[in-house]
Amino acid sequence: DVKVTQSSRYLVKRTGEKVFLECVQDMDHENMFWYRQDPGLGLRLIYFSYDVKMKEKGDIPEGYSVSREKKERFSLILESASTNQTSMYLCASSRPDRIAPQHFGDGTRLSIL
Amino acid sequence: GEDVEQSLFLSVREGDSSVINCTYTDSSSTYLYWYKQEPGAGLQLLTYIFSNMDMKQDQRLTVLLNKKDKHLSLRIADTQTGDSAIYFCAESIRSSSNTGKLIFGQGTTLQVKP
Repeated sequence: DVKVTQSSRYLVKRTGEKVFLECVQDMDHENMFWYRQDPGLGLRLIYFSYDVKMKEKGDIPEGYSVSREKKERFSLILESASTNQTSMYLCASSRPDRIAPQHFGDGTRLSIL
Repeated sequence: GEDVEQSLFLSVREGDSSVINCTYTDSSSTYLYWYKQEPGAGLQLLTYIFSNMDMKQDQRLTVLLNKKDKHLSLRIADTQTGDSAIYFCAESIRSSSNTGKLIFGQGTTLQVKP
């Protein structure tokens, strides 16, 4: 069964902390995505990676960075967490010929206090 | 700019048909998608339609596309309680770097009453 696994379902951090969200996929997909989901706003793309060490900014990259050192792993980094980054974060992957994410993780609900 | 709009809530009775509507703005969209999100889970790609098609049917799901009005709908026949979820439509557009990306709607919560 194909899988996208996010390391934490729930995470609570403090303002100013550096936060790492990890995502691993087992489908050998080239494309990986990080989205943020907020009520009434749908999903918004933070960053996208189309290959190892390659990344592209999405619609809301400010305050975030990403790392893709291995094909199966895509990390989202909050450099200095702020309360407005409290949200649900979703990781996804797809084959290189598909711009649409095909498989999603179950999400990480992040609270910044 | 690009925008995808959906109504936020729909309630139907078990066994009825559900119709979830979506409007989009980018006329150059090549594909349009429907995703389903069950409580506590990520999104699941349900179906998609190419922009030169009017209709696509897949078992209980029917997607209708009116390209002139930029209107997309998802019909679920014989709706079951297991269909209760949030449904997102999304359009594919070309980003500024000429790679593709999706624009998602806000999501429609479908409530199915027994």
